[in-house]
Amino acid sequence: AQSVTQLGSHVSVSEGALVLLRCNYSSSVPPYLFWYVQYPNQGLQLLLKYTSAATLVKGINGFEAEFKKSETSFHLTKPSAHMSDAAEYFCAVSENNQGGKLIFGQGTELSVKP
Amino acid sequence: DTGVSQDPRHKITKRGQNVTFRCDPISEHNRLYWYRQTLGQGPEFLTYFQNEAQLEKSRLLSDRFSAERPKGSFSTLEIQRTEQGDSAMYLCASSSHGSTEAFFGQGTRLTVV
Repeated sequence: AQSVTQLGSHVSVSEGALVLLRCNYSSSVPPYLFWYVQYPNQGLQLLLKYTSAATLVKGINGFEAEFKKSETSFHLTKPSAHMSDAAEYFCAVSENNQGGKLIFGQGTELSVKP
Repeated sequence: DTGVSQDPRHKITKRGQNVTFRCDPISEHNRLYWYRQTLGQGPEFLTYFQNEAQLEKSRLLSDRFSAERPKGSFSTLEIQRTEQGDSAMYLCASSSHGSTEAFFGQGTRLTVV
């Protein structure tokens, strides 16, 4: 069975600082991995996805993530945080590599201090 | 707006009442998914359709829950005899066959009082 663990339910950074949100996965098959962002009372927006091509994936809003098979990790980073990045972030793995059937982590709330 | 549309956005209901939510996927998408998200948790898969066929249901989908997609376009999710534990955000997503990306609607927040 596949699963996702997000380390840290809450991360706080200063504006302009590095953002690092951690995600580890468990999968018996080569995984497809995703990061989604959710603003309060909104749906989920896809930030980026890994689908077995390049291990360093660039997404929207300056975010990127690196797939590390040896560490079973897919951490999300952004060099310089902006106030508008404050939101909930979810890492997900695709079961059977279907884009829509996803197993999500519990989420990490990102706060950005001025 | 050509995104995934959900209606209503908010629903407050009394325990024991039935509720129905609607999801309109992106028009060319043949796959449609329902998720439930409780406070402080990630979304959990409930069920999915390919065209009008319901191909999979999660164990989370008790017999009080039923979903339909009668013509392979919009879908409805009905909860009968609602319980307080049903209070959650219900999210719908759609994707096209073979795509690795799903698009989510803004969700329906259900509060059972």
